[in-house]
Amino acid sequence: AQTVTQSQPEMSVQEAETVTLSCTYDTSESNYYLFWYKQPPSRQMILVIRQEAYKQQNATENRFSVNFQKAAKSFSLKISDSQLGDTAMYFCAFKSNFGNEKLTFGTGTRLTIIP
Amino acid sequence: DVKVTQSSRYLVKRTGEKVFLECVQDMDHENMFWYRQDPGLGLRLIYFSYDVKMKEKGDIPEGYSVSREKKERFSLILESASTNQTSMYLCASSSRGETQYFGPGTRLLVL
Repeated sequence: AQTVTQSQPEMSVQEAETVTLSCTYDTSESNYYLFWYKQPPSRQMILVIRQEAYKQQNATENRFSVNFQKAAKSFSLKISDSQLGDTAMYFCAFKSNFGNEKLTFGTGTRLTIIP
Repeated sequence: DVKVTQSSRYLVKRTGEKVFLECVQDMDHENMFWYRQDPGLGLRLIYFSYDVKMKEKGDIPEGYSVSREKKERFSLILESASTNQTSMYLCASSSRGETQYFGPGTRLLVL
């Protein structure tokens, strides 16, 4: 079974700074998907970024980018020029490329952007 | 835009009551999911469905059942609510191989 670990329960950073959230996972598969989801205080979970394991290039979405290290099974999220609206819970998630569509989530990191 | 809606944002029920949580999506997605979210535990999958009338157990199905009579609607049922089912419940939907989209969540308190 796959597991996803987020070792930082809480983080805070000053507005406009860069912050990196860590995520490690364990799997015996070679082909899979990794996700970062954001859950603002209003509770609607939204997708931040998605990475396909067979792609070596790290995914980016505007100020959000990932550092995907397949051999190390590491998938960190970097937020550049952080904004107050980035304050949220961030969840890392894993999805196998085989079988069902189930997501396995980490326990989350609560990120606070300080004005 | 994909829209996933849940019937209630907040719900208060008594121990032993039968509770229905409903989820509706408007994007013709095949897959629908029910998760519960607890502090320090992240999201855990309760049940999911990949087609009408089909269901599969997730990681924590005990005490729950589901119903999917129509493609757009997925219901979570607590047959006899207990205090340890107090939680945030999130519904999600997706097309095969695609991103899951989440509803706003239902915060359930069982007294």
